[in-house]
Amino acid sequence: GNSVTQMEGPVTLSEEAFLTINCTYTATGYPSLFWYVQYPGEGLQLLLKATKADDKGSNKGFEATYRKETTSFHLEKGSVQVSDSAVYFCALSGVPQGAQKLVFGQGTRLTINP
Amino acid sequence: NAGVTQTPKFRVLKTGQSMTLLCAQDMNHEYMYWYRQDPGMGLRLIHYSVGEGTTAKGEVPDGYNVSRLKKQNFLLGLESAAPSQTSVYFCASSRGSGTYEQYFGPGTRLTVT
Repeated sequence: GNSVTQMEGPVTLSEEAFLTINCTYTATGYPSLFWYVQYPGEGLQLLLKATKADDKGSNKGFEATYRKETTSFHLEKGSVQVSDSAVYFCALSGVPQGAQKLVFGQGTRLTINP
Repeated sequence: NAGVTQTPKFRVLKTGQSMTLLCAQDMNHEYMYWYRQDPGMGLRLIHYSVGEGTTAKGEVPDGYNVSRLKKQNFLLGLESAAPSQTSVYFCASSRGSGTYEQYFGPGTRLTVT
């Protein structure tokens, strides 16, 4: 079946550090890929997405590139801020073709220290 | 435009009690979903609906029932609550075919003692 694997957390960084959160997927077909963010006490918000191979999603300084050859969608940010502290979820959708259900990774908790 | 709202925000139940969680969306979305979030397990799909009057099982449907009598509402019911149903429940909606972005509500924290 379809699945998403994220790097184990928690991740703790200092402000202005470079961030990478790894995400790989297993899917039959060509899924759409997403990163969602959950701030403390809130629901999930879409951070960025990519719908086909080599697409780059970007938002709020975060980027992720859809790599079909390595089945990966790693999240990166060049300089993190304390306000980026949250739980980040990688997810896929769209397989089988047209399926709307999201399949989530287990989430990675990120803490940024000032 | 409130987006996706959930009622209630918190609830404590005793084992065997029943309750209904309400989800409402004002975006005219066709698809709606119920997820549960447990530590270290991400979100898992309980049930979903692809339109008014339709429902389907997700990954973890046992112990839950749902109804979609109106397009804007999606109800999740627990007929006889168990401690294993202690979780945070999220509702989401999406536009439908060709668009896979889901919009989430703020969640309901349920504790079953």
